[in-house]
Amino acid sequence: NAGVTQTPKFQVLKTGQSMTLQCAQDMNHEYMSWYRQDPGMGLRLIHYSVGAGITDQGEVPNGYNVSRSTTEDFPLRLLSAAPSQTSVYFCASSSGGETQYFGPGTRLLVL
Amino acid sequence: KQEVTQIPAALSVPEGENLVLNCSFTDSAIYNLQWFRQDPGKGLTSLLLIQSSQREQTSGRLNASLDKSSGRSTLYIAASQPGDSATYLCAVRPWGGNNRKLIWGLGTSLAVNP
Repeated sequence: NAGVTQTPKFQVLKTGQSMTLQCAQDMNHEYMSWYRQDPGMGLRLIHYSVGAGITDQGEVPNGYNVSRSTTEDFPLRLLSAAPSQTSVYFCASSSGGETQYFGPGTRLLVL
Repeated sequence: KQEVTQIPAALSVPEGENLVLNCSFTDSAIYNLQWFRQDPGKGLTSLLLIQSSQREQTSGRLNASLDKSSGRSTLYIAASQPGDSATYLCAVRPWGGNNRKLIWGLGTSLAVNP
C-alpha cells in the first residue's frame, strides 16, 4: 500500500496562474479531504468528499475547486492563484470517519 | 462552537523524562479525539484515536486519556527519546451535523534533548 500520495511536492506559481494538486489513495477510503496549514492558524479544511461524485465545502473553500470522479483520486484545483494561497496543502483519507491518513503535503509558493 | 486548545505551544525536555501534553476542548459532545504527530516538513501521522465511550488508549510508550466532562485529553509519553521530537496535534470529531469535519488544535512542539 502506498497510502496517500500527493504531487507535486513543491510548486512555485505566479499570481493568476492555475494549477491542480493531485491526491490519490489506494486504501479504498470513501472519505477524502484537503487541508491547508499555515503558521499560527493550524489546519483548515478546504473541501472534502464522502464518496465518488460527492463533494462539499470546508472552512476556506474560496479560490479552490474539487471533483471526485473515482474513489481513489481527489484533485484540488486553484483557479487563479493569489499570494494568500501560499501554504502547505495536505490531502487526507479515512474509512468510516475514523483514523485519518495524511499525504506528505505540497508546498506552494505564489509570487 | 467547538474550540480546541493545546498548551503549552512548545516544550523542551531532557531525554528520559516522562511528559504530558494537554488538549482542551470546549464542547463535550464529541464522537472521538485523535492525537497526531507531525515531523518538520512532513505530513501528519495518527498516533492514537479515542472514542467518546473510552477513557484511554495505549500504544507502546504513548498513553492518551479522555475526560469529556472536563473537556480534556492528555497524551503521556514515557521515557522520552530524541526521536520523539516533533509537533503533536490533537483533533476532535464533533457529534451531530456533518461530523466528519475535525476541529484541530494548533499543536505542541516538543524537543527532547540528548
